[in-house]
Amino acid sequence: AQSVTQPDIHITVSEGASLELRCNYSYGATPYLFWYVQSPGQGLQLLLKYFSGDTLVQGIKGFEAEFKRSQSSFNLRKPSVHWSDAAEYFCAVGARGNTPLVFGKGTRLSVIA
Amino acid sequence: DAMVIQNPRYQVTQFGKPVTLSCSQTLNHNVMYWYQQKSSQAPKLLFHYYDKDFNNEADTPDNFQSRRPNTSFCFLDIRSPGLGDAAMYLCATSAGTGGPYYGYTFGSGTRLTVV
Repeated sequence: AQSVTQPDIHITVSEGASLELRCNYSYGATPYLFWYVQSPGQGLQLLLKYFSGDTLVQGIKGFEAEFKRSQSSFNLRKPSVHWSDAAEYFCAVGARGNTPLVFGKGTRLSVIA
Repeated sequence: DAMVIQNPRYQVTQFGKPVTLSCSQTLNHNVMYWYQQKSSQAPKLLFHYYDKDFNNEADTPDNFQSRRPNTSFCFLDIRSPGLGDAAMYLCATSAGTGGPYYGYTFGSGTRLTVV
């Protein structure tokens, strides 16, 4: 069965600074990988996904993520954070077929002026 | 816009009093999921429907039931809510045969409080 670890519970960055949120997964085959964002009191919104091909994927809101098979990682990055990026970020892993996604525990991002 | 709608956004129920949460979708997706999310925790899958086929997670308590009368609607029934069932309940959909390929579309969630 697949699993996801997000090592950082809470990260604080200054507005305009760069951001990297870590995600490590465990799955025997090539995984499907996702990043979702959740604003307070809201559902989850898909930022980006990886299935195959180019290991650097671009998403919405200026986010990107890089799949590194050797490190079992799928870290999320943004070159310049905006105050509106403050939210909870979830990494998720899926498998081929209809196996439901498994989510990490999330990383809460705070943005300071 | 095609979307997933959850009602109500906030629900307060009494300890032991049955409660039903609803989810509707205009995406015509054939898979619907219910997740439970407690504070500062990952969403936890309770069950999902692939069309009319119901799939229960092994550790979902019997207290939780679900109904899917048609493609558009799915309900979560909590027969006897306990204090530990207070959480955000998230409904999601996906276009089935591709598995998660197309991603999940989530509703805004229902925040359940048990008093």
